Amino acid sequence: EPEVTQTPSHQVTQMGQEVILRCVPISNHLYFYWYRQILGQKVEFLVSFYNNEISEKSEIFDDQFSVERPDGSNFTLKIRSTKLEDSAMYFCASRSARLAGPEQYFGPGTRLTVT
Amino acid sequence: AQKVTQAQTEISVVEKEDVTLDCVYETRDTTYYLFWYKQPPSGELVFLIRRNSFDEQNEISGRYSWNFQKSTSSFNFTITASQVVDSAVYFCALSEVSNTGNQFYFGTGTSLTVIP
Repeated sequence: EPEVTQTPSHQVTQMGQEVILRCVPISNHLYFYWYRQILGQKVEFLVSFYNNEISEKSEIFDDQFSVERPDGSNFTLKIRSTKLEDSAMYFCASRSARLAGPEQYFGPGTRLTVT
Repeated sequence: AQKVTQAQTEISVVEKEDVTLDCVYETRDTTYYLFWYKQPPSGELVFLIRRNSFDEQNEISGRYSWNFQKSTSSFNFTITASQVVDSAVYFCALSEVSNTGNQFYFGTGTSLTVIP
């Protein structure tokens, strides 16, 4: 069964460093998402991406964040200058065509620790 | 305002007891979707069920059942004869068709502990 994959599973970085979290969505999916979950809290929407552009973003997704689909398979989230409060689990998700239903398939997550 | 409210932060039950997890949502859309996800200690999100706003039929899947009531904007989840493996955090989520991105709005989760 196809699945969303994310790398790395755990990333440790120092405050102020740039990080790139990588995701490989399911191959025929068209909609891509990033969510964040601070430890012990709820899962929060960051950004949705369709047709090579951002379709919607939350207030969390400020100028420090960017997303890219550099090739036909990867979907990345970049944090330009990490802060301690960026420490969280980051989930990537993908969805098929709009008319195919709302299901989003989540990856296993990348745990980001900023020290 | 919270779109999805899970008032129960933590629940503990003894194995084989039944337990109901509450979820109340808020939306102006007439077409929307509701979901339940399980998050075990390993951290991944495991899809349990999706319900369409226009289908109020309750659903049973093994020991799991879901009660969707539009009149009270609730989508509650019951585990019958709970087992230790059910221990996890459970999230209810809402997806609104009107949103361009169809993003999910998650509740704050209910941490369920099943005591052997």
